[in-house]
Amino acid sequence: NAGVTQTPKFQVLKTGQSMTLQCAQDMNHNSMYWYRQDPGMGLRLIYYSASEGTTDKGEVPNGYNVSRLNKREFSLRLESAAPSQTSVYFCASLTGGKGNTIYFGEGSWLTVV
Amino acid sequence: DQQVKQNSPSLSVQEGRISILNCDYTNSMFDYFLWYKKYPAEGPTFLISISSIKDKNEDGRFTVFLNKSAKHLSLHIVPSQPGDSAVYFCAAGGQGAQKLVFGQGTRLTINP
Repeated sequence: NAGVTQTPKFQVLKTGQSMTLQCAQDMNHNSMYWYRQDPGMGLRLIYYSASEGTTDKGEVPNGYNVSRLNKREFSLRLESAAPSQTSVYFCASLTGGKGNTIYFGEGSWLTVV
Repeated sequence: DQQVKQNSPSLSVQEGRISILNCDYTNSMFDYFLWYKKYPAEGPTFLISISSIKDKNEDGRFTVFLNKSAKHLSLHIVPSQPGDSAVYFCAAGGQGAQKLVFGQGTRLTINP
């Protein structure tokens, strides 16, 4: 029972490079999320997908794109990485219904130099 | 404009004593609140939640209190154990809502 799986775990990028963070969940959840965690800022929502085929901006969407490939997978793309995007990225999915609970992946540490 | 605030970045408590973590919110539309625990190099894990129809929810050593009039919630851990040392995030949202808003986190250290 893997839950939420995200890859890669660690990545170093040069400014201007592009990359995609992959996320998959095996809990049959409709909603999926990408958060970033920065010191003193908590968890900030980048993008979310309420269901397959839909995506919406969160609090800090600039510089990112997402793709909800199917119900299981939700990817986050940095088209032209900037040092300000150095962060820890968490993918998550939501149980939905009464008692919403978000389940998180283990995180992806991204450094942009 | 931070809708969910944890004003204490860190808290240090002696093992066996009570740990109290606090969280304030501004959006009166929030009616569902959660606490998450995060160890280094791991994703946050769900700890306990409370709906606005309650003012207290208990799960073992963990109790969450909600004061709707003050827009304040707190997490009590008693007795505190070394394994409780982690960063704790509070989060708020609406029942059936698609988004949760998280606080900045409080780093709890339990001293032996």
